[in-house]
Amino acid sequence: EPEVTQTPSHQVTQMGQEVILRCVPISNHLYFYWYRQILGQKVEFLVSFYNNEISEKSEIFDDQFSVERPDGSNFTLKIRSTKLEDSAMYFCASRDPGQGNQPQHFGDGTRLSIL
Amino acid sequence: AQKVTQAQTEISVVEKEDVTLDCVYETRDTTYYLFWYKQPPSGELVFLIRRNSFDEQNEISGRYSWNFQKSTSSFNFTITASQVVDSAVYFCALSVMSGGTSYGKLTFGQGTILTVHP
Repeated sequence: EPEVTQTPSHQVTQMGQEVILRCVPISNHLYFYWYRQILGQKVEFLVSFYNNEISEKSEIFDDQFSVERPDGSNFTLKIRSTKLEDSAMYFCASRDPGQGNQPQHFGDGTRLSIL
Repeated sequence: AQKVTQAQTEISVVEKEDVTLDCVYETRDTTYYLFWYKQPPSGELVFLIRRNSFDEQNEISGRYSWNFQKSTSSFNFTITASQVVDSAVYFCALSVMSGGTSYGKLTFGQGTILTVHP
């Protein structure tokens, strides 16, 4: 069964550094998402991406964040200058463009640790 | 704005007991979708079920069953004869169709930690 893959599984970065989290969505999916989950808390929406542009973003997704689909397969999340509070699990998800809200399929996540 | 509430923070049961996880949602949209996801200790999010707002038919799938009641804005999930492998965090989530289009943002509840003891 096709799946969403995320790399790396764990990223440790110094505060203030830039970090890029990578995702390969399921190949025929057209909607892409990033979510984050601070340890022990709920999953929070960051951004959705469709037709090569951001379709919706949350208050969390400020100017320090950006997303890109540089080629036909990768979908990246960049944090420009990381802060301690960016430490979290980041999940990429994608979904089929089929009728109605098809379920989102999630990757295994990247655990980001900011020191 | 949408909101999902899972009032049960943690539930602990002994294997073979039945357990029901509660979910209450809020939305002004008339067309929406509800989901349950499972997050086992390994951390990934696994899709379990999707229901749209026009489909109140409840479903049973093996040991899992779902009870969707629009009148009370609830979408509860029951595991029958629980097993140790069911131990996980379970998230209820909501997605709305605004104006006939939707990019599918999921609004998650806080999650319920289910521990099944042998």
